[in-house]
Amino acid sequence: KAGVTQTPRYLIKTRGQQVTLSCSPISGHRSVSWYQQTPGQGLQFLFEYFSETQRNKGNFPGRFSGRQFSNSRSEMNVSTLELGDSALYLCASSLNLAGGLNEQFFGPGTRLTVL
Amino acid sequence: AQSVTQLGSHVSVSEGALVLLRCNYSSSVPPYLFWYVQYPNQGLQLLLKYTSAATLVKGINGFEAEFKKSETSFHLTKPSAHMSDAAEYFCAVSDHAGVQGAQKLVFGQGTRLTINP
Repeated sequence: KAGVTQTPRYLIKTRGQQVTLSCSPISGHRSVSWYQQTPGQGLQFLFEYFSETQRNKGNFPGRFSGRQFSNSRSEMNVSTLELGDSALYLCASSLNLAGGLNEQFFGPGTRLTVL
Repeated sequence: AQSVTQLGSHVSVSEGALVLLRCNYSSSVPPYLFWYVQYPNQGLQLLLKYTSAATLVKGINGFEAEFKKSETSFHLTKPSAHMSDAAEYFCAVSDHAGVQGAQKLVFGQGTRLTINP
């Protein structure tokens, strides 16, 4: 079974631009979560989607948004990029079974550099 | 809110020596706890997870961790370090968002493990 895939793997943008990152979850997984990883702040939760609905959101400004499609693929968008948005953006998917633990499987990430 | 503290941002051991990476958590409810490993330019790979079934959890690559409720700890150990263990390790606690099936991970700051030949 293929793992979580993220595209593109590397991206360079300039301040003020916007960017869209894509995530394809493991087949059958219905929940997709996004995390930002930076040297200063570590790994921080951005948001989680299930059945095309955002169920949970972290403490990030409104410039960060996302969506999920009917095939469970997800995109996240960052508008008006700032230098501090430079980070590794990780996507994780899970089965989302009712109750109990839903283990998250991570993709390789998209490395975003903002100049 | 749940939180995780990893003691030591850098740990260095000799090849063949014991690896001990420390993790303490804070949670008002019985937690789910995880250890992940990250190799350079890669995503996170799950090493092991605690789900209350057993306090001593065995994972991949010879790693194990023991859940100690009295100490609110979940330290990661490996009896004999190998050069290939050099990576960054993250402890995480699952924050139940209160919505059915919705869980988010709260991570520690990570520990970079270096193996000396």
